[in-house]
Amino acid sequence: DAGVIQSPRHEVTEMGQEVTLRCKPISGHNSLFWYRQTMMRGLELLIYFNNNVPIDDSGMPEDRFSAKMPNASFSTLKIQPSEPRDSAVYFCASSDLGGGKNIQYFGAGTRLSVL
Amino acid sequence: RKEVEQDPGPFNVPEGATVAFNCTYSNSASQSFFWYRQDCRKEPKLLMSVYSSGNEDGRFTAQLNRASQYISLLIRDSKLSDSATYLCVVNPLLTGGGNKLTFGTGTQLKVEL
Repeated sequence: DAGVIQSPRHEVTEMGQEVTLRCKPISGHNSLFWYRQTMMRGLELLIYFNNNVPIDDSGMPEDRFSAKMPNASFSTLKIQPSEPRDSAVYFCASSDLGGGKNIQYFGAGTRLSVL
Repeated sequence: RKEVEQDPGPFNVPEGATVAFNCTYSNSASQSFFWYRQDCRKEPKLLMSVYSSGNEDGRFTAQLNRASQYISLLIRDSKLSDSATYLCVVNPLLTGGGNKLTFGTGTQLKVEL
């Protein structure tokens, strides 16, 4: 299994630009999670989906952030417009909702720098 | 009070030492507990699940105390390769889309020669 795949691995952009982060969950997993990690705040859950449906987006910082999951094998997290304070590592994780163990597997992350 | 609290460390220990981390959680209804490990500039990875009866995996032992709402991780005979940040993780709910996990901010371990 290839694991959770995220792209791009690194993104450097200028303030005001649109940023789109992509995630492919592990095949067969039906839950997908977007996290943001910074030194100050640690790992924060932004939003998660079960069976492609958003369940909890209370962690999304503000309207500039949006996430979609059009099908079971793909999700995007979009920031528009981006700001320097959005600089962080963004992780996507997936799990098997029916698996009983609730173990999440993480992608390698996207390191975002907004200048 | 934070949902999951950990001592950030760092814990600096010599190779071969035994080291223990504790973590407390605030939601008494929490159902699942885990330790994840995160290496520098890498993603978190599951180290082990934590069961009420306690569980062991090689040099690693995890314990859960529901009455006091804390979880522990013991590492025996520590190796240089154990140097990492250890994240305490709690699943606060059992049903209703409750597969959300809450992560502690992590305890940093540095094993030295």
